[in-house]
Amino acid sequence: KAGVTQTPRYLIKTRGQQVTLSCSPISGHRSVSWYQQTPGQGLQFLFEYFSETQRNKGNFPGRFSGRQFSNSRSEMNVSTLELGDSALYLCASSLSLAGGGDTQYFGPGTRLTVL
Amino acid sequence: AQSVTQLDSQVPVFEEAPVELRCNYSSSVSVYLFWYVQYPNQGLQLLLKYLSGSTLVKGINGFEAEFNKSQTSFHLRKPSVHISDTAEYFCAVIPPGIKAAGNKLTFGGGTRVLVKP
Repeated sequence: KAGVTQTPRYLIKTRGQQVTLSCSPISGHRSVSWYQQTPGQGLQFLFEYFSETQRNKGNFPGRFSGRQFSNSRSEMNVSTLELGDSALYLCASSLSLAGGGDTQYFGPGTRLTVL
Repeated sequence: AQSVTQLDSQVPVFEEAPVELRCNYSSSVSVYLFWYVQYPNQGLQLLLKYLSGSTLVKGINGFEAEFNKSQTSFHLRKPSVHISDTAEYFCAVIPPGIKAAGNKLTFGGGTRVLVKP
């Protein structure tokens, strides 16, 4: 079974631009979560989608948004990029919203650098 | 709300020596507990998890962890490390139940393990 895939793996953008990151979950998984990883703040939860609906949201400004498609693939978008948005963005998929009962599988991440 | 504290940010250890990574959590409700490993330039991989039952949990790659409810701890151990165990290790929690938090993981700050030959 193929794992979680994220595209692109690396991105360089400039301040003020917007960016879209993509995540394809493991086949059959319906829940997708996004996390931001930075040296200063560590791993922080962004949001979670299940059946095309956002089910949970972390403490991030409205510039961060996401969506999920009917095939469970998910995208996240960051508008008006700031230097502090430079981070590794990780996507995780699981079968359902079982709150830990289902293992979450992480992708390799997208490394975003904002100049 | 939950919080997770990993008491050591870096742990140097010699090859074939034992290692223990400490994790404490605070939560007003019971939680599920996890340890993940992140190798350089990769995503996170689940090592083990505690949902209920036996407090000693065995995971992959020879790792095990013990849940201690009274001390709110979930320390990770390996009796003999290899060079390939050099990585960053994260402790995480989820409150059980769909309504509480779905799959939202709250992570500790991570512990970098450097295995020396």
